[in-house]
Amino acid sequence: DSGVTQTPKHLITATGQRVTLRCSPRSGDLSVYWYQQSLDQGLQFLIQYYNGEERAKGNILERFSAQQFPDLHSELNLSSLELGDSALYFCASSPGLAGINEQFFGPGTRLTVL
Amino acid sequence: QQPVQSPQAVILREGEDAVINCSSSKALYSVHWYRQKHGEAPVFLMILLKGGEQKGHEKISASFNEKKQQSSLYLTASQLSYSGTYFCGTARTGNQFYFGTGTSLTVIP
Repeated sequence: DSGVTQTPKHLITATGQRVTLRCSPRSGDLSVYWYQQSLDQGLQFLIQYYNGEERAKGNILERFSAQQFPDLHSELNLSSLELGDSALYFCASSPGLAGINEQFFGPGTRLTVL
Repeated sequence: QQPVQSPQAVILREGEDAVINCSSSKALYSVHWYRQKHGEAPVFLMILLKGGEQKGHEKISASFNEKKQQSSLYLTASQLSYSGTYFCGTARTGNQFYFGTGTSLTVIP
């Protein structure tokens, strides 16, 4: 158990809908990262927050947005969902910056768009 | 931006050794290695920092060639539990982080 929690574990929805994925980092970790992993694909970095502020953006679509709240939990919002958004979404946390700290991954949220 | 790994896949017998390579076209600040078993989350193995510092598990070894922007992960005397997909991750600055294309490792009895 990494100490990172993600909810829900599974999510099934229809095209055009909007969903929110939630992540609670390990106690004491200030950084939260979001990744997308499509079937048999690698991990695509979406976005990183540090202590409530956005610090780095990767391949995140404009239909997606995220935020980190004062209690350090984070939410990833996916809107106008398309079939291609079906994937496993991982959240990870670390004490500080990505370059010098290991990341602890949550169990992931599997999103299926029908 | 995404680092390239080689080989894409490798099959080993228990006890054999393997090397997984990771290469970036950009100057790197650090290289990370993670292992992901099927259906599970990635698990941290090692960080190699510019300047030679390393953090990670004692049984894992890796190298980082800063001039060539390349890293290699060395798996020796492989065990069945080593099976999984290995990802390198690279940081160019303190924050932007990209995982590599992945290497599938299968260890057979």
